[in-house]
Amino acid sequence: EAGVAQSPRYKIIEKRQSVAFWCNPISGHATLYWYQQILGQGPKLLIQFQNNGVVDDSQLPKDRFSAERLKGVDSTLKIQPAKLEDSAVYLCASSLVGSYIDEQFFGPGTRLTVL
Amino acid sequence: AQSVSQHNHHVILSEAASLELGCNYSYGGTVNLFWYVQYPGQHLQLLLKYFSGDPLVKGIKGFEAEFIKSKFSFNLRKPSVQWSDTAEYFCAVRSYDKVIFGPGTSLSVIP
Repeated sequence: EAGVAQSPRYKIIEKRQSVAFWCNPISGHATLYWYQQILGQGPKLLIQFQNNGVVDDSQLPKDRFSAERLKGVDSTLKIQPAKLEDSAVYLCASSLVGSYIDEQFFGPGTRLTVL
Repeated sequence: AQSVSQHNHHVILSEAASLELGCNYSYGGTVNLFWYVQYPGQHLQLLLKYFSGDPLVKGIKGFEAEFIKSKFSFNLRKPSVQWSDTAEYFCAVRSYDKVIFGPGTSLSVIP
């Protein structure tokens, strides 16, 4: 079974530039999560999708971050414009149905450096 | 505010030593508890999870964790660590469909 795919693996941009990350979850997984992991901290949930609908985006900085999951499969997370404090690893995860017994499967992450 | 804390930021052990990593949380209601591991250069993966029943949970690679509700704790243990256990370990707590991760503990095992 293929895992969660993410691209790019690394990205370096200057502040105020825009950047987009892509995630393809495990086939058949209805729930998709985007996390931000700042160095030395645990992952922080940014947004959770159930199919193509948003379940939780309470910690997403909506003035600069946006995410979509068209057709309920792959997803894109965008930052526009980026700030220095956005430097982090952005993790995508997916789970089968999103219930409390579900296991989340994580992708390799995209390491973003904002200069 | 809801939070998850992990007692140690970095732990260094010799092979065959016993391991205990602490995890405490601040939720008052029903919780589901997880330990995730991230080996160098690899993805986060689930070590073990607790939902209900026996508070002593066994996971992969000889790890176990004990849920002590009265102490709001879910400590991870392994009786004898190996060099291959060198990794970052994250405790996570799910409450009301929100999952909060702890800051992580970096474990280095010296051969």
